[in-house]
Amino acid sequence: QVQLQESGPGLVKPSETLSLTCSISGGSITNYYWSWIRQPPGKGLEWIGFISNSGGTNHNPALKSRVTISVDTSKSQLSLKLSSVTAADTAVYFCARRGPDYSEYYFDYWGQGTLLTVSS
Amino acid sequence: DIQMTQSPSSLSASVGDRVTISCRASQSIGRSLHWYQQKPGMAPKLLIYVASSLHRGVPSRFSGSGSGTDFTLTITSLQPEDFATYYCQQSYSTPITFGQGTRLEI
Repeated sequence: QVQLQESGPGLVKPSETLSLTCSISGGSITNYYWSWIRQPPGKGLEWIGFISNSGGTNHNPALKSRVTISVDTSKSQLSLKLSSVTAADTAVYFCARRGPDYSEYYFDYWGQGTLLTVSS
Repeated sequence: DIQMTQSPSSLSASVGDRVTISCRASQSIGRSLHWYQQKPGMAPKLLIYVASSLHRGVPSRFSGSGSGTDFTLTITSLQPEDFATYYCQQSYSTPITFGQGTRLEI
């Protein structure tokens, strides 16, 4: 059974760079696309971006160029870096796996999420 | 960006009821529409993919339909564990976008 587990600092100061990690177990990391999705408290879901099985990335233009997504296959870890954070980046951050149907992009496995608060 | 609009935003129902949640896309997305269930404090769970395919392990009381711009999630014979928030998501083009959610309450 595939399991995803996010981890992060919990609290980041404005203008700093947040770094989150998603540890993946129970399945291959190299055969799938992986995404980050976030959810501000009490609000809906926002897709942040994905990394493909070949290492290519695509991110939400709403986040401009603040997003960096990478994979460390040796550690079976997915990473997210978001620079120049503001209070608007306060959210629960989820990592998720793209389903096996490569003609569509839906999320079949999710981590439990990690809350990141931006505050001085 | 493709905007996804769900209706209603909230819905009150009772155990045993049949409920329908709608999702409308701002442009045609074919059948690239997926549905999730989220309970408080938990991650979303995939229910339906590609408009009408039931994800493994999801009870058959859940069903999806639609194509183009209009889609529907139907839950027949509501169970206590079905009270949650439901989201639709389009994958026709990036950025991937979600509906604002429909809260299903007792």
